[in-house]
Amino acid sequence: AIRMTQSPSSFSASTGDRVTITCRASQGISSYLAWYQQKPGKAPKLLIYAASTLQSGVPSRFSGSGSGTDFTLTISCLQSEDFATYYCQQYYSYPHLTFGGGTKVEIK
Amino acid sequence: QVQLQESGPGLVKPSGTLSLTCAVSGGSISSSNWWSWVRQPPGKGLEWIGEIYHSGSTNYNPSLKSRVTISVDKSKNQFSLKLSSVTAADTAVYYCARAITMIVVVITTGPWFDPWGQGTLVTVSS
Repeated sequence: AIRMTQSPSSFSASTGDRVTITCRASQGISSYLAWYQQKPGKAPKLLIYAASTLQSGVPSRFSGSGSGTDFTLTISCLQSEDFATYYCQQYYSYPHLTFGGGTKVEIK
Repeated sequence: QVQLQESGPGLVKPSGTLSLTCAVSGGSISSSNWWSWVRQPPGKGLEWIGEIYHSGSTNYNPSLKSRVTISVDKSKNQFSLKLSSVTAADTAVYYCARAITMIVVVITTGPWFDPWGQGTLVTVSS
């Protein structure tokens, strides 16, 4: 199975900050990557698929990049509603789908 | 828009079978999508369990394959999960989700998951 490793596992940031979350695949996955946001007690919400395609309705301050093994999710100007946990998911090795361990963004 | 709602017992005894149903509304389960189950142990990350197409075709996570059965009921617009021989390690919030694929040129990519149900906590305990 392809292992997805996210870093950092958590960090603190302030409203207005530009933040970057990293996801690394144990082998190349082309651009077959999605990002999700999860708030406490809620289901995950799709943000990005195909590594960089923004899901309809998701604010443009979210962006994704990368290909192969290294990917990033960037929030250009952190808002209060963005404090959450973020997960990456690979679908290269379909149907053996795997998620990263998550990155929690906390308020500084 | 499509909405999903999980239902089923919140408590299952060890060695028993976990059974959940996901009702799909706002769209047909016979559309060109797969339908998935994903779980999340308390305080931990996400694990894909498996998926089903309206034809009845299934794919399962190899680590759970021997214990998982996913089925579909098109007449009720719902699909179901059964997980047998459960232990405390199966305690988790179970989500159902629509699995989206996309054809790029001649290649089908995906799936990613959208939308998700609200999730239901299943505790395995005697």
